[in-house]
Amino acid sequence: ETGVTQSPTHLIKTRGQQVTLRCSSQSGHNTVSWYQQALGQGPQFIFQYYREEENGRGNFPPRFSGLQFPNYSSELNVNALELDDSALYLCASSSPKGNGYTFGSGTRLTVV
Amino acid sequence: AQTVTQSQPEMSVQEAETVTLSCTYDTSENNYYLFWYKQPPSRQMILVIRQEAYKQQNATENRFSVNFQKAAKSFSLKISDSQLGDTAMYFCAFQNRDDKIIFGKGTRLHILP
Repeated sequence: ETGVTQSPTHLIKTRGQQVTLRCSSQSGHNTVSWYQQALGQGPQFIFQYYREEENGRGNFPPRFSGLQFPNYSSELNVNALELDDSALYLCASSSPKGNGYTFGSGTRLTVV
Repeated sequence: AQTVTQSQPEMSVQEAETVTLSCTYDTSENNYYLFWYKQPPSRQMILVIRQEAYKQQNATENRFSVNFQKAAKSFSLKISDSQLGDTAMYFCAFQNRDDKIIFGKGTRLHILP
């Protein structure tokens, strides 16, 4: 069984640009969650997708948006990048509830 | 709001010693799940141990065990016979009925040779 894979691993963008991060969920998992982890901090919940529908959102502005595809892979899009968006973005998949999440290795985004 | 608090930002112990990481949480729910995750420098978040709130028995996974005190909303992690490979950030996490996982700020653990 394959784990969660994220791409790219590292990315540098300029303030004001847009970025798309990608995530392939673990086989058999239909729920994908995205987290933002600032340096030295715990992951902060951005949003979750279940069967292609958004299933909850954390305290992030609308310029953070996402998609989930029929194969349960997912994208995180961030528009109008700000310097504070620099962080590790983690994708996690899960199914069923209570077994915890399986995480990818993350995408390190640097906004300059 | 549901919160997870880890009061120890950083800890260091000698190899082979036992160390306990603290975690408290706040929730009005009765059924939930608790986890400890390990994040080494590779950034991969690895599940260490999980506890179901409706089970009174403390979970154990090899050298890792928890002390779950539901009334006190406390969920500490004990690492026995610590090894150099245990060096990592450790996050306490709470999963609510909406299937969202909330993390604490983490404890950086150093195992010294």
